[in-house]
Amino acid sequence: SQQGEEDPQALSIQEGENATMNCSYKTSINNLQWYRQNSGRGLVHLILIRSNEREKHSGRLRVTLDTSKKSSSLLITASRAADTASYFCATSSGNTPLVFGKGTRLSVIA
Amino acid sequence: KAGVTQTPRYLIKTRGQQVTLSCSPISGHRSVSWYQQTPGQGLQFLFEYFSETQRNKGNFPGRFSGRQFSNSRSEMNVSTLELGDSALYLCASRESATNEKLFFGSGTQLSVL
Repeated sequence: SQQGEEDPQALSIQEGENATMNCSYKTSINNLQWYRQNSGRGLVHLILIRSNEREKHSGRLRVTLDTSKKSSSLLITASRAADTASYFCATSSGNTPLVFGKGTRLSVIA
Repeated sequence: KAGVTQTPRYLIKTRGQQVTLSCSPISGHRSVSWYQQTPGQGLQFLFEYFSETQRNKGNFPGRFSGRQFSNSRSEMNVSTLELGDSALYLCASRESATNEKLFFGSGTQLSVL
């Protein structure tokens, strides 16, 4: 399976600190995406990075991709209480459906 | 544009019953996917429909089925419900089968008693 696995499973930080989450996967991919989910709600797409890209930014988000290590990281800078949510990586390969990891639960304490 | 709409939001059923969940994709989106989310297994892919045809199917028993209508709205059905079917069922749409970004609805929380 190419299911991504996020690390850590849970992360608790103070407001203003940076949060880093990691994702590892098993097979070659076309792209890797990060999604966010507030408790009991649907997922919201954050950012997509293609297999030929190494780094991408979107506002306070920075994503890196290392295809040689089959890993990605999501950095949220200057975290806010509103960033409290679960974050999922998802991998895409060919015409297969998007496969999600089990997520990192981020708690940002005000 | 309105987002992905799933109904109902909450559902309580008993073992052995069947249930039908509904999903209306974003206007113009022709692909609809369904995922089951549980605390233990995370998000697991059920199936994807594109232009009324099932394009992909996950590893779920035949009790789980779905369909898509000509207006791209989709339904999924679970027959002979089991306790383990309790989960958040999420529907997601995208513009085409090749567009990678998914737009999710808020989900239907199904509880099987």
